[in-house]
Amino acid sequence: GAVVSQHPSWVICKSGTSVKIECRSLDFQATTMFWYRQFPKQSLMLMATSNEGSKATYEQGVEKDKFLINHASLTLSTLTVTSAHPEDSSFYICSAIRGQGRSGGYTFGSGTRLTVV
Amino acid sequence: RKEVEQDPGPFNVPEGATVAFNCTYSNSASQSFFWYRQDCRKEPKLLMSVYSSGNEDGRFTAQLNRASQYISLLIRDSKLSDSATYLCVVTSGTYKYIFGTGTRLKVLA
Repeated sequence: GAVVSQHPSWVICKSGTSVKIECRSLDFQATTMFWYRQFPKQSLMLMATSNEGSKATYEQGVEKDKFLINHASLTLSTLTVTSAHPEDSSFYICSAIRGQGRSGGYTFGSGTRLTVV
Repeated sequence: RKEVEQDPGPFNVPEGATVAFNCTYSNSASQSFFWYRQDCRKEPKLLMSVYSSGNEDGRFTAQLNRASQYISLLIRDSKLSDSATYLCVVTSGTYKYIFGTGTRLKVLA
């Protein structure tokens, strides 16, 4: 089945530093990937849609200069949290579409738990 | 009003019980519906798609009511391993998924 690898699984960083999270589709090409954020006991909130070879589309309220997304190949999208602050601490999950998204073709990465101290 | 609303629970039920969750959505143009399961500190995993005609997968039954704009999930003969958060997901014309906040289920021995 479709596999999406996300790395790292967890990271602790100091306030003010940047953190890069990678999302790879291992056995399929993903022209579109999605980045979500989930705070404790809350829903997954879509941050941005990442399209291979073009600029990401950010959801309202998400700062594109703070959350840099690069989707340079059909198998890799990266999310960089720049100048991280404690309020950025969250669970970040990527997903990719394989085949027909409407049939539940989303595959999620295993998530990255970011803690900013 | 949130686009997708769920009762957060928790629902504490004994093993073997039948439990049902509902999820309401606000966009009448929504096209696709799913139930996902999320274990603590893990990524969501697709449990089942929800079709207009309803569908069943073992102990799990999903229903869609477009007129009232809600979907439901019924779990029969609950197992301890069913303890998780169940996320309702709705799409609206694109591949963009809108997640509910999830309903926590705890099956008790």
